[in-house]
Order: sequence, then structure tokens, then C-alpha cells
Amino acid sequence: QSVLTQPPSVSAAPGQRVTISCSGSSSNIGNNFVSWYQQLPGTAPKLLIYENNKRPSGIRDRFSGSKSGTSATLGITGLQTGDEADYYCATKDSSLSGVWVFGGGTKVTVL
Amino acid sequence: QLQLQESGPGLVKPSETLSLTCTVSGGSISSSNYYWGWIRQSPGKGLEWIGTIYYTGSTFYNPSLKSRLTISIDTSKNQFSLNLNSVTAADTAIYYCARDGYHDYWGQGTLVTVSS
Repeated sequence: QSVLTQPPSVSAAPGQRVTISCSGSSSNIGNNFVSWYQQLPGTAPKLLIYENNKRPSGIRDRFSGSKSGTSATLGITGLQTGDEADYYCATKDSSLSGVWVFGGGTKVTVL
Repeated sequence: QLQLQESGPGLVKPSETLSLTCTVSGGSISSSNYYWGWIRQSPGKGLEWIGTIYYTGSTFYNPSLKSRLTISIDTSKNQFSLNLNSVTAADTAIYYCARDGYHDYWGQGTLVTVSS
């Protein structure tokens, strides 16, 4: 069981918008920044969002992040077939002294 | 461009020690403000944070692995390493090294299988 809870899967048609939720607690999401990662099949994870809503250089603005209380959300607009991947949220857990915790991952399927 | 590359045996026997090294190129591992970490992914499963190290040698470990885990750093070689002892089949995974902080740079990962 992951410390952070994500839905196992979400799906939508090309061009549509999907959102992925990440639920935690006051010891992790509630008091720390959230990051999001995209993992394409057979590859290493790639940073999509850091500090809740910031995009690294080269990440399209189709990807967005937000945080409210003990939950965070990743949004993907203009869904493309190349967006089919697993997406993970992550943050630090203050109750575990510097330990990072990940969500269980969400598989995005483009219909 | 910063690059990370994992290296080490792909097969380890049960009860033995899993040892991996991450070589960093394109930047100094001694740069301040960054920790360097290990993350693993069991086959078909999600990501599990293993631990992290600063260039000074300061470490943070996943409590579930702490009793078996040692992460070390060699600034002269721009490398950091992972040692996990008393391994079992449950330690079979793809092991990634990454620049900690936001995990913005990752190695390609290396599959380690624990089997006799």
C-alpha cells in the first residue's frame, strides 16, 4: 500500500482533458511540495511538475499541477496518444525525516 | 547536460549483497543543494524511494530498508553507491539513481534479479 493514493487508471479520447488525483495527509502533501512524474513504457520516470505547479524547461503547458490541503492534482489537456503512460505523484513525509513517498501510479489510456 | 548511469551485477543470489554504483557526468556530485538518491521499481509495480546521500556523506534511508542499506559517495570519482544486504526475491527490481530534490535527472535504470 502506497502512502499517497492515486486512481489506478484514467482514460479519455484524444484532445480531451484528464485529471489525476493524489491524496495524502498532513505529514506529507499537507506540508510539503508535490512533484509529478511521467513514465513511458520501458523508460525511466521523467519530471513533469515540481513544487506543486511548476514545469521544468521543455515540459509543455498541457501539463499542470495544483495542490489543495492534503491532495494534489495533475491535469493533462489536449490528450495525445504519446501521453499514454504511468503517472506518479511524490512528496516528502515530515513524519519520516526526509523520506520521499510515491503514489501507486495512474495509468493514462488514450481511447 | 547532467547524466546518470547505473552499473552493477544483474543477478544476485538470495542472502547476498546487492551492490550498485551510479556515475554522474556533466556536473559535479559535490554541488551544493543537491542530494543523490536511489529509487526502485519491482516488476509491474510502482516506485519505491530507497534513500539519498549528500556530498558530505549525510544520508536518509527508507525506514523499511534501513537495517540492510548503506549508501556511500565517492566525490573523487563523481559516483555514489548502494549496498543492500541479505537480499530476497522481493528485492528484484529495476534500480534507478536520480538527482534528489525533485528527481529531475534519472539514470536509465538497471534490472537486478535476486535468484539462485
